[in-house]
Formats: sequence, C-alpha cells, structure tokens
Amino acid sequence: EVQLVESGGVLVQPGGSLSLSCAASGFTFSYYWMSWVRQAPAKGLEWVATIKQDGSETYFVDSVKGRFTISRDNAKNSLYLQMNSLRAEDTAVYFCARDEFGYDTASWTFDYWGQGSLVTVSS
Amino acid sequence: DIQMTQPPSSLSASVGDRVTITCRASQSINSYLNWYQQKPGKAPNLLIYAASSLQSGVPSRFSGSGSGTEFTLTISGLQPEDFATYYCQQSYSSPFTFGPGTKVDIK
Repeated sequence: EVQLVESGGVLVQPGGSLSLSCAASGFTFSYYWMSWVRQAPAKGLEWVATIKQDGSETYFVDSVKGRFTISRDNAKNSLYLQMNSLRAEDTAVYFCARDEFGYDTASWTFDYWGQGSLVTVSS
Repeated sequence: DIQMTQPPSSLSASVGDRVTITCRASQSINSYLNWYQQKPGKAPNLLIYAASSLQSGVPSRFSGSGSGTEFTLTISGLQPEDFATYYCQQSYSSPFTFGPGTKVDIK
C-alpha cells in the first residue's frame, strides 16, 4: 500500500524558516517524480514544487522561488521542503504527492497524496 | 500561466441525482485535465485523468469528458459519500494549475 506521511509543520514567525519531511513507503520511491502541493485555510489547491527522481531537476511556483528548496533522499525514501523567509501567505496545509506519468495518455497526475502538514506563519 | 475556472463554486443536489461539474481553461489544454475529489480534512483523491480516463478503484458512476478549453465531470447517481469538493487541474504546461473547486452539498 502506498503511503506518504508528512511531518514538521508548526507555528513559525514571519521571516522564519521551517523544513517539512515526507516519508514514503509501499512503492519504489526512486522511480518517481515527487511534488509538494499546498492549501491555504478554506482555499483551493496550489502546486508548490516538484523534483525529478534523482534530484537533478527541480521546479517551483513563482511565489516561492528563491525562498523554498525541494530535495530528496532516495536511500531514506524521503522528500523534503525547506522553507525560508516565510510569509503569512505561506500559511497552509502542505501535501506531499507522488507524480505519475501515464504512458497511455502521455499525461501527468498526482496519484497519491499524504494527509498533509499544517504550517502557520504568524507573529 | 493557464487559469482554470469552475463555475459555479457550489451546487446542491440530492442522493440519486445526476450531477455535472464544469471546468474551463484559459487556453487549449488538449485533454490534459484531471479531476480530484476532496472531503473536509482529507487529502485530494484522483478520480479522472486525461479528461476521461477513470482512475483505478474509482466507482464507474464518475465520468469525465471534454477537450480544448471545456470539460465536465459527471456523477451518475449521486451517493452520500460523494458530497465533497471537486477540483480540476491542468497538466498541459507548468505550473500545473488547479481550478478553485466546486462544492457539492446536500439539497
């Protein structure tokens, strides 16, 4: 059974830093691209960042470029999100998600998600 | 960036109803459109990918159609467990943007 379990979400002051982790199990982690998607309170979903299987490529939404870093440790089956210079608008539940490329349709999906970790940025 | 819209933001329906949810893209995305269901306090769950392909394990009462800029998710025979928020998401170009969601609640 595929499982993704996020951790690390806390209350942090504006300008502060925080690192989220996502522990993966039930699949060969090193075979998959992985992403972070966030959801502000009572709001919709926003893709945040994506990383290639070997970590050689990373992509970010414009609003976090230069502040957030995505990384992974395939030996530990873990995904990370380092968040610096946090702002109130970064307050959200952060989901770890597995990227799946369907060769039959040549399309990408987020096919498995973790339960989410709440990050609150407030003074 | 490609903008996704989902009018209306909410709709009311009864168990057994046929429900259609609309999603529009600001430019053509061919058939690179996914649908997710999210219940309160839970993670999203993939229902439909590539506009009309049913994800494994998803009940057959869910179906998707459309291409280009107009897409629909249809629930044929709404069940109590289907009351939730539904999001569309384009995977045509990065950033892979989501629609604002359509909440389906009980009439």
